Amino acid sequence: AQTVTQSQPEMSVQEAETVTLSCTYDTSENNYYLFWYKQPPSRQMILVIRQEAYKQQNATENRFSVNFQKAAKSFSLKISDSQLGDTAMYFCAFNAGNMLTFGGGTRLMVKP
Amino acid sequence: NAGVTQTPKFQVLKTGQSMTLQCAQDMNHEYMSWYRQDPGMGLRLIHYSVGAGITDQGEVPNGYNVSRSTTEDFPLRLLSAAPSQTSVYFCASMLSSGVDEQFFGPGTRLTVL
Repeated sequence: AQTVTQSQPEMSVQEAETVTLSCTYDTSENNYYLFWYKQPPSRQMILVIRQEAYKQQNATENRFSVNFQKAAKSFSLKISDSQLGDTAMYFCAFNAGNMLTFGGGTRLMVKP
Repeated sequence: NAGVTQTPKFQVLKTGQSMTLQCAQDMNHEYMSWYRQDPGMGLRLIHYSVGAGITDQGEVPNGYNVSRSTTEDFPLRLLSAAPSQTSVYFCASMLSSGVDEQFFGPGTRLTVL
């Protein structure tokens, strides 16, 4: 069974600064995908970014980028130029087939 | 294109009552799934389906039934509600099982008294 751990229950960052959210996972699979989802107060789940395990290059989507360390089983999310609209819960998730496994989440507050 | 829709948005039940949470998608996705989200926790998979007529259990299936008679619909049934089933329920779909992006519905907040 896969497990996903997010060790930071809450974080805060000043507007326009950079913040990094941590995620580690445990699996015996070699081929898998990793995701970061954002859940704003509206509770809608929104995909932020995804990473294929077979790709060495870290994924980037505008202000969002990941640091994927396969050997260390680490998958952190960096948010640059933080905006007030980034305030939300962020979930790391793992998928090696039919089951998406989520971490417990990190609540991010962006302060003006 | 409505995406993934769920009804109702809110529901209050008494212990022992039954109900069905509805989920539909109009993207012709083969894979559909149900998750529950408890306070301070991530989403946990209840049941999933890789196509019409095929369902399987996820991490927390006890107390829930599902069926998939059409590609579009994937209802979740609570046969005898318990307070431990108080949660927010999300339905999701993706094109096929594996590693595609899952699209989530808006969620149903269920309270069991």
